Order: sequence, then C-alpha cells, then structure tokens
Amino acid sequence: EVQLLESGGGLVQPGGSLRLSCAASGSTFNSYAMNWVRQAPGKGLEWVSVIYSGGRSTYYAESVKGRFTISRDNSKNTLYLQMNSLRAEDTAVYYCAGCADGSCYSRGFDPWGQGTLITVSS
Amino acid sequence: DIQMTQSPSSLSASVGDRVTITCRASQDIISDLSWYQQKPGKAPKRLIYDASNLQSGVPSRFSGSGSGTEFTLTVSSLQPEDFATYYCLQHHGHPYTFGQGTKLEIK
Repeated sequence: EVQLLESGGGLVQPGGSLRLSCAASGSTFNSYAMNWVRQAPGKGLEWVSVIYSGGRSTYYAESVKGRFTISRDNSKNTLYLQMNSLRAEDTAVYYCAGCADGSCYSRGFDPWGQGTLITVSS
Repeated sequence: DIQMTQSPSSLSASVGDRVTITCRASQDIISDLSWYQQKPGKAPKRLIYDASNLQSGVPSRFSGSGSGTEFTLTVSSLQPEDFATYYCLQHHGHPYTFGQGTKLEIK
C-alpha cells in the first residue's frame, strides 16, 4: 500500500514561486495516477491537477492553468507541483492523493497525504 | 465542466439517527463518484468508491447508491465518530469536481 508525505509548504509573497513535493512509500507508485487537491482555510476541497501513471497526461483546474505544473519522478517515487505567479487566493492546505487504477476513472482518490500549508501573503 | 451540487450544506442529527446526503451531477457520470469524510485538521478519507462500493475498513453503516446524475450517501445509525464533513467527488471528466460539502453536526 502506498503512503504519501507532502513537503515544501510555507510563506511566499504574491507573485512568488514554490515547489511542493509528495514522497511515496511502496513499490507501486509508478502505477498510480497522482493528484493535487487544495483546501483554502475554512473552505471545501478543490481539485487542482492530475498526472497519469505514465507521466505524459496532465490536466489542470482552470484556476491554476498556466501557473502550476504537475510532474513526477517515478525513479524517486515523488510527485511535484511547481507553483508560479502565486496569488493570495492560492493560500490553502495542499494534499496529494493517488488513484490506484492509473487514470482515476474508477475508485476515486486513495491514499491521501497529510497536507502542507501554503500561505501567499506580503 | 461537470458541476456537483451537494445537499444539504449542513445537517444536525443525533446519535442513532439515519441520515442521507445527496449529490447531483450536471451530466451523466455513470458511477464515477466517490464519497469522503473529513475531520478537522485531517486529510479526507475515502468511504465509498464507484458510487456504491464500501472502502475496506469502513463500517457497514455507511452506504452509497445511485448512478447517472443522482447519488446518495447514507449513514444508517450515526455514531459519535461520524460527526464530520462529507464530500462527493466526480472523477468522470476533467476537471474533477467536489461537491460543496456537508457538515454533519451533533444535535
């Protein structure tokens, strides 16, 4: 079973950049599709991006398209989210979440990491 | 984009009550829907996948039903540990979308 641990969160100024990482334990990471999901303080869950198991297919929410880039390094069992041109409204806890079927068409998201907080503020 | 309308947004109930939460999709998503429970300060936890399949280890008082555009999550007899926020998620089409959430509170 894959377990996930995010890192890279912190305080960043508007317009700045940050890269999040999600380290996976277990030998089956490369068969999982991986997502980033965020939750602004006191708000609901918002899907951000997905990368399929092969790494060639990626999709984004409209709110982050052109600013965020999802990638993965299967040799390191690690998922990334490069976040550029950050805005105050990007402030949130960011979770990584996996899909065991490789493309998320079935079964939904499981497992989830514990989350990492990004605060965009001057 | 597929919109998910979740209701109610909040619900007050007592231990032992039966409660139902509904999600409606703006278009047919077949059974590509899952349900999550989230407690304060914690990551979401999957309860139900593919609309009606119970996640391993989740108590059988949780059940899901529906297909197409209308889905329900039912808790047959609320326990103290069930008071939390619940979300549906459609993973039929991009962008994936969550319902707005239902906060289940103790009456």
